[in-house]
Parts: sequence; structure tokens; C-alpha cells
Amino acid sequence: QVQLVESGGGVVQPGGSLRLSCAASGFTFNTYGMHWVRQAPGKGLEWVTFIRYDGSNEYYADSVKGRFTISRDNSKNTLFLQMNSLRAEDTAVYYCAKDCRSGGCNYYIDVWGKGTTVTVSS
Amino acid sequence: EIVLTQSPATLSLSPGERATLSCRASQSVSSHLAWYQQKPGQAPRLLIYNASNRATGIPARFSGSGSATDFTLTIGSLEPEDFAIYYCQQRSNWPIPFGQGTRLEIK
Repeated sequence: QVQLVESGGGVVQPGGSLRLSCAASGFTFNTYGMHWVRQAPGKGLEWVTFIRYDGSNEYYADSVKGRFTISRDNSKNTLFLQMNSLRAEDTAVYYCAKDCRSGGCNYYIDVWGKGTTVTVSS
Repeated sequence: EIVLTQSPATLSLSPGERATLSCRASQSVSSHLAWYQQKPGQAPRLLIYNASNRATGIPARFSGSGSATDFTLTIGSLEPEDFAIYYCQQRSNWPIPFGQGTRLEIK
């Protein structure tokens, strides 16, 4: 079945960097756009970024633009999120998520990983 | 950036009752709106897309309506498993934010 497994979370100091990975399986990864969505403790969902199936375009939330970079390796069915200049407000569970795509469902999310926790603290 | 405002913040109802949740966009998103359900400790689940289309496997008691700036998620008769947090999301323009959520709690 479709599976997304995030890794790379941890504790990092303000101003530091972290790289998240998401291993995808159970679907043709190189034909789907992918998202990262985060959720701060006790807070709502925040959409972070999206990358097209072939990596040709990326979109970012204003809160992370210029600091975070999404990328993918279709040969390894893996999605990445490079996070630089981290701030306390970036503390959250980060979900890797698959674009719905089919039947007019593009850019919505139909499959989510379990998430990886990022804590930015000194 | 389009802002989505959900109301009410919290809705207290009993099983069997009808729930009506609202999502308002700061500018028209046409019908490009989805609804998600999130239960504690779980990832969200897509319920409705393009304002009124149920996602695969979603029970018929969930329905969506609306267009432009005003949207509604209706749960026809609440089951115990429906008590959760509900989010809307637009895909009309990048970025594609979520609303702040509506908590549906048991009265």
C-alpha cells in the first residue's frame, strides 16, 4: 500500500539547519507532486511547500520562503526538505504528503506520513 | 495570499445531530476548496475536494457545498467517530494555506 516515512527530525539550535527525508513506496513516485505540511504543538495545520512530480516547480509558504528548500530524488523515491536559519517558531511535526492528482484532485493531499518532530531550542 | 477563516472555532453537538461547519475565503477561490478531518494523534484525512466531491471511502453523511468565498461542510448525523478537528484548504492560488480549524466536540 501507499506509504510515506519521514526521518531526520530532531533538536536543533536557533539558526541551525536540518534536512528531512521522506521515503515513498506503493505508488509511482515520479508521477506525483509532493507536499510538506507542519503542525506546531497544539496548533493547526500549516502548509509549507510543494514540488511538482518532475521537480520543475516549487512553491513555498511565506513563513519559510528563502530558508527552506524542497527537493526530490525520483531515482530513490525520496522527498527532502532542507531547513536553514531555523527559528523557534519552526518547531513542529513535519508531515510528508502525497498530492491527490487524480480526478481533478490536484494539489490536495490524499496520503500523509506519520510525521517527524523538529524542535528548535537552545 | 488567500486567508481562510473557519467558524465556529468549537462546535459542541451530540451524536445523531447535524453539524454545519463554515469556511470563508478572503477572496474568491471558485470551487477550489477541500475539507480534512484530523483526530488526536493521527494525520489528517481528505474528506471533500473541489467543494463538494467526496474523497474515496468517505461516508455519504459528509457533504460539502459553496463556491467563491463561502463554503460549508455538513455532517448529516453525527457518529461518535466524527468528533475531531476539521480544516479547509484552498488550491486556487499559491500558497495554499489551511484554515485554522474547527473543533467538533461531544456535548
